[in-house]
Amino acid sequence: GAVVSQHPSWVICKSGTSVKIECRSLDFQATTMFWYRQFPKQSLMLMATSNEGSKATYEQGVEKDKFLINHASLTLSTLTVTSAHPEDSSFYICSARDGTSGGRTQYFGPGTRLTVL
Amino acid sequence: DAKTTQPNSMESNEEEPVHLPCNHSTISGTDYIHWYRQLPSQGPEYVIHGLTSNVNNRMASLAIAEDRKSSTLILHRATLRDAAVYYCILRRSGGSNYKLTFGKGTLLTVNP
Repeated sequence: GAVVSQHPSWVICKSGTSVKIECRSLDFQATTMFWYRQFPKQSLMLMATSNEGSKATYEQGVEKDKFLINHASLTLSTLTVTSAHPEDSSFYICSARDGTSGGRTQYFGPGTRLTVL
Repeated sequence: DAKTTQPNSMESNEEEPVHLPCNHSTISGTDYIHWYRQLPSQGPEYVIHGLTSNVNNRMASLAIAEDRKSSTLILHRATLRDAAVYYCILRRSGGSNYKLTFGKGTLLTVNP
């Protein structure tokens, strides 16, 4: 089956620093990737949708200058949390759409746990 | 997007079948029914999806009501590894919108 990886799996950083999270589709080409955030005991909230080679589309209420998304290739998307603060601590999950299968299925990465001190 | 309604939690015994219900009374004709599950501290995992007909795969079966206003995910023999939050999601086909909107899902507990 299709595999999506994320790196790192967890990260701890100081307040005010920036953190980059990578999302890779390992065995398929991902024309569209999605970034979600999940707070403890809550459901996943979509942050943004990125299509390869174009600017990301952010959901309402998500600051695009704070959460920078780059989707430079068909197998890699990155999310950079700039000037992170403790309230940005969360579980960040990416997913990728396999365009070759008709796009009906999204495959999710294992998630990245971000803790901002 | 059309909304889905699921019970907050369900309990099952190991090796017994589990039927997880989902109501989607405002579903439109072009909405696919997707099921994902999420184990603790992991990303969601695709389970199954369907449009009108019942579907089977190695993980589960999806039974879709004739009027499509409800569906049921069937795990034929629950194992402890099936304990997870199960999400029923509607996704409209066509266009370029492939977003999935997650609700609260059903927390399935499997007793040994």
